[in-house]
Amino acid sequence: GQSLEQPSEVTAVEGAIVQINCTYQTSGFYGLSWYQQHDGGAPTFLSYNALDGLEETGRFSSFLSRSDSYGYLLLQELQMKDSASYFCAVRDRSSDYKLSFGAGTTVTVRA
Amino acid sequence: NAGVTQTPKFRVLKTGQSMTLLCAQDMNHEYMYWYRQDPGMGLRLIHYSVGEGTTAKGEVPDGYNVSRLKKQNFLLGLESAAPSQTSVYFCAVGAALRETQYFGPGTRLLVL
Repeated sequence: GQSLEQPSEVTAVEGAIVQINCTYQTSGFYGLSWYQQHDGGAPTFLSYNALDGLEETGRFSSFLSRSDSYGYLLLQELQMKDSASYFCAVRDRSSDYKLSFGAGTTVTVRA
Repeated sequence: NAGVTQTPKFRVLKTGQSMTLLCAQDMNHEYMYWYRQDPGMGLRLIHYSVGEGTTAKGEVPDGYNVSRLKKQNFLLGLESAAPSQTSVYFCAVGAALRETQYFGPGTRLLVL
């Protein structure tokens, strides 16, 4: 099966930078995704890494190191609206490419 | 263009009652998924479908049944609800197994 670990909570002030780490164990790693969820609403897709390196989308960036089984989501220029839960999810060949989610990191942005 | 919708939004059941959750999509995607989300946990896959008329078990299928009679609809059934099935249920759709998943707004279910 798959297992993922990410911190449960992170707090930061507006304008700061937050890095959410995700370590994973899978037998057939295919890719790492990040989803955002506000107040129990619908999770929404943020980014996807299949290859090593950094993917940048506006204020958010995601990084992957396949050799270290590690990735992170970087939130820059934090805004109050970034207060949400962030989930990493691995896609694994051994489970027909289905997503397996981490427990989520709650990010709280303070003024 | 509603994307992914779920019915109902909220429901309270008594132990032993049955109900069906409906997921509908207008994105014309082949793949549909049912997840449950419990406090402090990520999303766990219950069942999924790779196309009309097909279904498959996910990580936590016990106590649930599904049907995909039409491409745009994916139904999740609880034949005899248990308190352990109190959760938030999310439906998701995707163009393919390897593609991004798009989630519905969720159904909050309380089983007493």
